[in-house]
Amino acid sequence: AQSVTQLDSHVSVSEGTPVLLRCNYSSSYSPSLFWYVQHPNKGLQLLLKYTSAATLVKGINGFEAEFKKSETSFHLTKPSAHMSDAAEYFCVVSDWSGNTPLVFGKGTRLSVIA
Amino acid sequence: GAVVSQHPSRVICKSGTSVKIECRSLDFQATTMFWYRQFPKQSLMLMATSNEGSKATYEQGVEKDKFLINHASLTLSTLTVTSAHPEDSSFYICSAKDPGTGNNEQFFGPGTRLTVL
Repeated sequence: AQSVTQLDSHVSVSEGTPVLLRCNYSSSYSPSLFWYVQHPNKGLQLLLKYTSAATLVKGINGFEAEFKKSETSFHLTKPSAHMSDAAEYFCVVSDWSGNTPLVFGKGTRLSVIA
Repeated sequence: GAVVSQHPSRVICKSGTSVKIECRSLDFQATTMFWYRQFPKQSLMLMATSNEGSKATYEQGVEKDKFLINHASLTLSTLTVTSAHPEDSSFYICSAKDPGTGNNEQFFGPGTRLTVL
């Protein structure tokens, strides 16, 4: 079985400061891990994905995440927040083969203060 | 990346009517599509897996007679909410896998906001 825990339901940062959104996963198999972003009343956009290649994954809009197997974590970071980053972020796990459905975390709402 | 569209983006209907939502893969063929439901300020919940040319696989607790899924072609899956009631009001999102990418990434549609009066 697979599961995802997003440790913070809401994170608030000031514009220009670093962003850290935390995610821990549980998987019986080698996992594939994803971060998606959702702006209000919009669909989901893929930020980045880990599929057993490099453990430090760079995504769009300056985001990156590091896969740490020993800590079962896949935290999302960005050095400097922008107002347009305010959105809902979902950490997602699946197995590497794609034979299991995507399992979503409950989401973290990121607020960016001017 | 691959593009998935949904139609309509918003729909308002009266209680007791049926509503059809379309999900299309625009630049690839998708043998498998997925339907999710999202309540306000909550995560996505997988409702069913739509398989081209065969019956959909529903998740536990999802009524297959209420949420009819048809995947008649490699680029189109439809979700019909039958005899809709206010509690069916939600944001419905579809996704599809592109077999050509060689991994299990899913591409999501923009979602359909259903409001049942």
